Amino acid sequence: DTAVSQTPKYLVTQMGNDKSIKCEQNLGHDTMYWYKQDSKKFLKIMFSYNNKELIINETVPNRFSPKSPDKAHLNLHINSLELGDSAVYFCASSQGTGKRGYTFGSGTRLTVV
Amino acid sequence: GENVEQHPSTLSVQEGDSAVIKCTYSDSASNYFPWYKQELGKGPQLIIDIRSNVGEKKDQRIAVTLNKTAKHFSLHITETQPEDSAVYFCAASKGNQGGKLIFGQGTELSVKP
Repeated sequence: DTAVSQTPKYLVTQMGNDKSIKCEQNLGHDTMYWYKQDSKKFLKIMFSYNNKELIINETVPNRFSPKSPDKAHLNLHINSLELGDSAVYFCASSQGTGKRGYTFGSGTRLTVV
Repeated sequence: GENVEQHPSTLSVQEGDSAVIKCTYSDSASNYFPWYKQELGKGPQLIIDIRSNVGEKKDQRIAVTLNKTAKHFSLHITETQPEDSAVYFCAASKGNQGGKLIFGQGTELSVKP
């Protein structure tokens, strides 16, 4: 049973397109996150939701819009994709503020051409 | 701003040797320090964590030490094995930021048989 699952695993798209990445966790956690890992493998938080409420929004362009329909799901929609959006996007979840650690998904590799 | 520096960026050891990875954090209010292992094509996986009220924690071949005064924490892996080869990330968190983790830049560990 996959604890945090993301779809799709790979996404190749042209500049200017709109795309979505979906994330679901079956751990019963109440907090979910989106992280971006760049080509140098640096991990940076983008968003955090607790019980469907946005609690962290880290200076991310407003082309990125997260949506949490319930506490087990956190989706990421990206409008007007740019070359610089190419990265691996990781979804993660935790119970509370993560002092028992996060569980990460396996990532979505987004390539914008 | 909040920052976590991690060294070295690459580390190569012989099987059976020890490996040490060091991190320094900037925000003295940080109180939770997890370590993650990321294998190729996978998401980061929590391997050990330490809280600010503890100086050292050990789990089989892995240990973490924390020096709050110096704002340093380190990961020690003893009796390394080829399957320990991966990218390792340290991170730091404060309790009042919705679970936000600040990650170090990562260390690519290679264990040669």
